[in-house]
Amino acid sequence: DAGVTQSPTHLIKTRGQQVTLRCSPKSGHDTVSWYQQALGQGPQFIFQYYEEEERQRGNFPDRFSGHQFPNYSSELNVNALLLGDSALYLCASSRGQPPYGYTFGSGTRLTVV
Amino acid sequence: AQSVTQPDIHITVSEGASLELRCNYSYGATPYLFWYVQSPGQGLQLLLKYFSGDTLVQGIKGFEAEFKRSQSSFNLRKPSVHWSDAAEYFCAVLNNAGNMLTFGGGTRLMVKP
Repeated sequence: DAGVTQSPTHLIKTRGQQVTLRCSPKSGHDTVSWYQQALGQGPQFIFQYYEEEERQRGNFPDRFSGHQFPNYSSELNVNALLLGDSALYLCASSRGQPPYGYTFGSGTRLTVV
Repeated sequence: AQSVTQPDIHITVSEGASLELRCNYSYGATPYLFWYVQSPGQGLQLLLKYFSGDTLVQGIKGFEAEFKRSQSSFNLRKPSVHWSDAAEYFCAVLNNAGNMLTFGGGTRLMVKP
């Protein structure tokens, strides 16, 4: 049984560019959450998607947007990249609403130069 | 607003010694609390969680945690540390809607042979 799958594992982008990160949830899970983890810090909640809608959003600017597809997979898009967007982006999946158990993927390491 | 504080950024213990990692939370209602572990370059693995009931909860890998409402604490313990326990540990609280985890800054555990 595959867990949460994220792609790519690493990528390097230039300041001002746009990036798309992808997440496939664990089998049986229908809810996807995204977290940003800067170096040496704890993860910070970006947003959560359920039934293809954004259900909750953290304190992140509109440059961060997302999407959930009918198969429950999700994308995180970041526009106009800043150096400060360099971080590990974690996807977590869960089942049902409210979801009380989360399974995390291994993350995508984004470096902005 | 909910918050989590992990007062110890780094802790070093000798292999075979006991371990206690501190976690203090701020939350208005009954908290749902979690401990996660993160190895370098990896995602988060759930060690244990507290929702209600017995205030001493058992987790994987021989870890346990005790919820103390009067002290707003949820400290993680292990009676005998193994070298493989070296990692970063995160305490987190879940909001009532169950859709947003707030993490502490983490404690990095190093194990001396």
